[in-house]
Amino acid sequence: GENVEQHPSTLSVQEGDSAVIKCTYSDSASNYFPWYKQELGKRPQLIIDIRSNVGEKKDQRIAVTLNKTAKHFSLHITETQPEDSAVYFCAARLGGGADGLTFGKGTHLIIQP
Amino acid sequence: DTAVSQTPKYLVTQMGNDKSIKCEQNLGHDTMYWYKQDSKKFLKIMFSYNNKELIINETVPNRFSPKSPDKAHLNLHINSLELGDSAVYFCASSQVRWYSGNTIYFGEGSWLTVV
Repeated sequence: GENVEQHPSTLSVQEGDSAVIKCTYSDSASNYFPWYKQELGKRPQLIIDIRSNVGEKKDQRIAVTLNKTAKHFSLHITETQPEDSAVYFCAARLGGGADGLTFGKGTHLIIQP
Repeated sequence: DTAVSQTPKYLVTQMGNDKSIKCEQNLGHDTMYWYKQDSKKFLKIMFSYNNKELIINETVPNRFSPKSPDKAHLNLHINSLELGDSAVYFCASSQVRWYSGNTIYFGEGSWLTVV
């Protein structure tokens, strides 16, 4: 099965600075890599995703990059704001079908004012 | 309208009891899931159903029994609750698309506390 490693487990940055969270996956057949944001007491919500035929995707202040050769993908948040404080999860899905997602262990992002 | 809804949101119960969590999605998705989030926030898949058929059954004790009466509903029944079952249980759904990604939508979660 798939295994997803996520680093760091906690990340503290000054407001306005950039934050980068990195993930690696084990199965080269994985083809879909979403990122979820979970605020305290809330459900995980998709913020951005990337498919294996794309190397980079951007949506306003967030971007995701994928390196299929190295089997790693990263989330980049620029100009961080207090509302970016949350737990972020990367995930990978193996192939198609109803296999669900394998999640990383999460990164607690803290934005310091 | 809530896309994936689950009830109850909070559940406090004693060890040894049996309890159920219900889930419904109105997105027309074919696939539904149960995920467990423990105290360390780790999200782990428990079950996956596609069109009422069990697809994934991870290493979950057989005290946990999912039931899907139709593709819009996936309920979770737990027998003989143990302290270690305390967690947040998330129901989720997605539309399976082969050879492409499928966004998973989560319900609000059910906070289960076993005392």
